[in-house]
Amino acid sequence: KAGVTQTPRYLIKTRGQQVTLSCSPISGHRSVSWYQQTPGQGLQFLFEYFSETQRNKGNFPGRFSGRQFSNSRSEMNVSTLELGDSALYLCASSLGQVTNEQFFGPGTRLTVL
Amino acid sequence: DQQVKQNSPSLSVQEGRISILNCDYTNSMFDYFLWYKKYPAEGPTFLISISSIKDKNEDGRFTVFLNKSAKHLSLHIVPSQPGDSAVYFCAASARSGGSNYKLTFGKGTLLTVNP
Repeated sequence: KAGVTQTPRYLIKTRGQQVTLSCSPISGHRSVSWYQQTPGQGLQFLFEYFSETQRNKGNFPGRFSGRQFSNSRSEMNVSTLELGDSALYLCASSLGQVTNEQFFGPGTRLTVL
Repeated sequence: DQQVKQNSPSLSVQEGRISILNCDYTNSMFDYFLWYKKYPAEGPTFLISISSIKDKNEDGRFTVFLNKSAKHLSLHIVPSQPGDSAVYFCAASARSGGSNYKLTFGKGTLLTVNP
């Protein structure tokens, strides 16, 4: 069974631009969560989607948004990029029940210049 | 407010010896704890977990201990192998509150196992 895939793997943008990251979960998984990893803050939860609905949200500004499609694929969008948005963005999928484990993708490395 | 803390940024151990990675938490709503291992350029990989109704869970060379009164958990790796060298993240969730989907992570501990 294929794992979680994220595209692109690397991205360079400039301040003020916007970016869209994509995540394809493991087949059959209906929950997708997004995390931001930075050296100073570690892994921080952004939001989680289940069956196209945002079910949980972390403490990030409204510039960070996401959505999930009917095939469970998810996208994350960051508008008006800031230098501090440079990070590794990780996506994790699970079957979606409380007892299910999350499986992570390799991440997208975003650099904002 | 760091709800999950890994106070040791790094740990170096000799091959064959025991590695002990520590984690403290402050949120008493957390009832499920996980350890993930992360290699460079890869996403975290689930290692082992423990529910708050237990105080120990073992899987091969990996054992996690939970001390609820101290709000402390530790991961023991015995014997340590060079392939164990990675960043280890402690994570917690409040499953009873329906928030399993949100994992709160520590900042990680870099484990280096020397041959």
